[in-house]
Amino acid sequence: DTAVSQTPKYLVTQMGNDKSIKCEQNLGHDTMYWYKQDSKKFLKIMFSYNNKELIINETVPNRFSPKSPDKAHLNLHINSLELGDSAVYFCASLGQPNTEAFFGQGTRLTVV
Amino acid sequence: GENVEQHPSTLSVQEGDSAVIKCTYSDSASNYFPWYKQELGKGPQLIIDIRSNVGEKKDQRIAVTLNKTAKHFSLHITETQPEDSAVYFCAAQSPSGYSTLTFGKGTMLLVSP
Repeated sequence: DTAVSQTPKYLVTQMGNDKSIKCEQNLGHDTMYWYKQDSKKFLKIMFSYNNKELIINETVPNRFSPKSPDKAHLNLHINSLELGDSAVYFCASLGQPNTEAFFGQGTRLTVV
Repeated sequence: GENVEQHPSTLSVQEGDSAVIKCTYSDSASNYFPWYKQELGKGPQLIIDIRSNVGEKKDQRIAVTLNKTAKHFSLHITETQPEDSAVYFCAAQSPSGYSTLTFGKGTMLLVSP
């Protein structure tokens, strides 16, 4: 049973569209994250979400918004997609500080 | 905020050799330092971690060392095998900001048979 699952795994869409990526964790963790991995493999934090409180990386455009319907889910909505949004997006979850963060398999977003 | 530097960006070794990847961090409050392995098409997966009250930790062929004074930590892989080929990330976790992990830029390790 997958601990952190993301859907879809691949997403190809046109510039200007709005899309969502879903993330679910079955670990009972309180904290979830979204990371962006660019073409050079650099992993950069986008959002941290804990008990309905959100910490945003100030470099993330406001076209990106996380939505958490419950503790087990943290979805990522992206409006007005741009070519530069093409990347692999990873969801992750964390139970306690100083313990393992579990990552999903990633969603490869391609904007054409 | 935290800044993590990782070197080298690529590392090629022969099977059986040792591999060493080094990282430095900037935030002296960071207290947890995991290493993640990312295989092609997959998410990062933890391979070993070390906390700030420990100087060294070993798990079979993998070891990590931490020097808090110098703010650097290293990953050592001995007797490398082709299946060790992957991208390796070091990370540092600060107690603030919901324990967000700040990653280094990754090291692509290639082990040739």
